[in-house]
Amino acid sequence: SAVISQKPSRDICQRGTSLTIQCQVDSQVTMMFWYRQQPGQSLTLIATANQGSEATYESGFVIDKFPISRPNLTFSTLTVSNMSPEDSSIYLCSVTGPLEQYFGPGTRLTVT
Amino acid sequence: GNSVTQMEGPVTLSEEAFLTINCTYTATGYPSLFWYVQYPGEGLQLLLKATKADDKGSNKGFEATYRKETTSFHLEKGSVQVSDSAVYFCALSYGGSQGNLIFGKGTKLSVKP
Repeated sequence: SAVISQKPSRDICQRGTSLTIQCQVDSQVTMMFWYRQQPGQSLTLIATANQGSEATYESGFVIDKFPISRPNLTFSTLTVSNMSPEDSSIYLCSVTGPLEQYFGPGTRLTVT
Repeated sequence: GNSVTQMEGPVTLSEEAFLTINCTYTATGYPSLFWYVQYPGEGLQLLLKATKADDKGSNKGFEATYRKETTSFHLEKGSVQVSDSAVYFCALSYGGSQGNLIFGKGTKLSVKP
C-alpha cells in the first residue's frame, strides 16, 4: 500500500491569490493524479503528473490555472492560481498501486 | 460519455439495519467497477471491486455484484455498525488500477447506535 500526506489540510484564501498544495508519498511511484471534488459533486480528475515530464491535463483544466510540479518520484505540488469562489473544493492527490489507486486525505480550500 | 450515478444521501440507519446504496453506470464496453469509502478525516480507500460481469466484490461484510444487464453495482451490507459511518463512492475505470477513475457523487451514511 501507499501512504499519502497532503499539506495544508485546509485553508481559507482570498480571491485573486494562489495556493500551492503539497503531496508526499511514502514510496516511489510513476504516476500521480490530482482530483477535485466540488461541493455536492463527484471527484473529477484534473491532471496526471509523471516525473520528468509535463503534466497531462483533462478537458476543462489548463496549466495556467493549475500548474503542477513533479520534481521526484515521491512528491508533487498543485497550485490553484488566481482563485475565485468557484475554486472552493477539496483537492485530492492519488497514486497508482499494483491493484488499486490510493488517495490522500485531501485539502479543503475555501475561497472568499 | 461514461458516467456513474449513485443514490442521493444522506442515509441514516440504526445499527444492525440492512444497507443498500444503489449505483448505476453508463459506459461503452466493459469497465471495472469500484466502491471507495472515505471515513471522517481520512483519505479515500478502496472497499471492493469487480472487473467483469457477474463478479462479486466483497470486503468487511460489504458486497456488490457487477450486473451488466442492468448496468448496476449496488453496495449491500446485511448488518451495519456505527463504525461504517462514512461517505461511499461508486466508480468505474477502463484501465483497472491504472486508469482514470470516474466517480459518482458519493453517499453519506450515518449509523446510529
